[in-house]
Amino acid sequence: DAGVTQSPTHLIKTRGQQVTLRCSPKSGHDTVSWYQQALGQGPQFIFQYYEEEERQRGNFPDRFSGHQFPNYSSELNVNALLLGDSALYLCASSFDFRVSTDTQYFGPGTRLTVL
Amino acid sequence: KQEVTQIPAALSVPEGENLVLNCSFTDSAIYNLQWFRQDPGKGLTSLLLIQSSQREQTSGRLNASLDKSSGRSTLYIAASQPGDSATYLCAVCRGNAGGTSYGKLTFGQGTILTVHP
Repeated sequence: DAGVTQSPTHLIKTRGQQVTLRCSPKSGHDTVSWYQQALGQGPQFIFQYYEEEERQRGNFPDRFSGHQFPNYSSELNVNALLLGDSALYLCASSFDFRVSTDTQYFGPGTRLTVL
Repeated sequence: KQEVTQIPAALSVPEGENLVLNCSFTDSAIYNLQWFRQDPGKGLTSLLLIQSSQREQTSGRLNASLDKSSGRSTLYIAASQPGDSATYLCAVCRGNAGGTSYGKLTFGQGTILTVHP
């Protein structure tokens, strides 16, 4: 059973460019959340997708947007990249976030470097 | 706004020692609390999940406790091994008025653990 997968593994972009990151959730999971982890910091919640809609959003600007497809996979898009967007972007999936025993499973992450 | 703090920021111990990692949170209205492990440059692996109604959870050499009233959790690692070296992250999931959760995790900054042979 494949876990959460993310692509690409690494990405280098320049300021002002746009980037798309992809995530496939663990089999049987329908909820996908995205987190940004700067070096030496804990992950910060970006947003969550469930039933193809953005359900919750953290304190991130509108430059960060996303999408969830009918097969539950998800994309994270970042426009007008800034140097401060350099980070490890983590995708997490879960079976039912409304259940107290629900565990979030994380992918290996995409390392984005903005030059 | 929920804030999660982990102490110490880094810990270096010889192999075989028992150790305790600490996590504190400011809002006691939590749904559950999870401890994760992260190896350098990698994703997160869930170690233990404690529901808000529970006091502790155990898995092998790991034991996590939760005290909602004081806003604290501890992760106890028994008989540490070099393979335990990693960053340990505490994450809190907030409850909502409906008695469930939205599934959003708020993380601490982590404790970097090094276990020397």
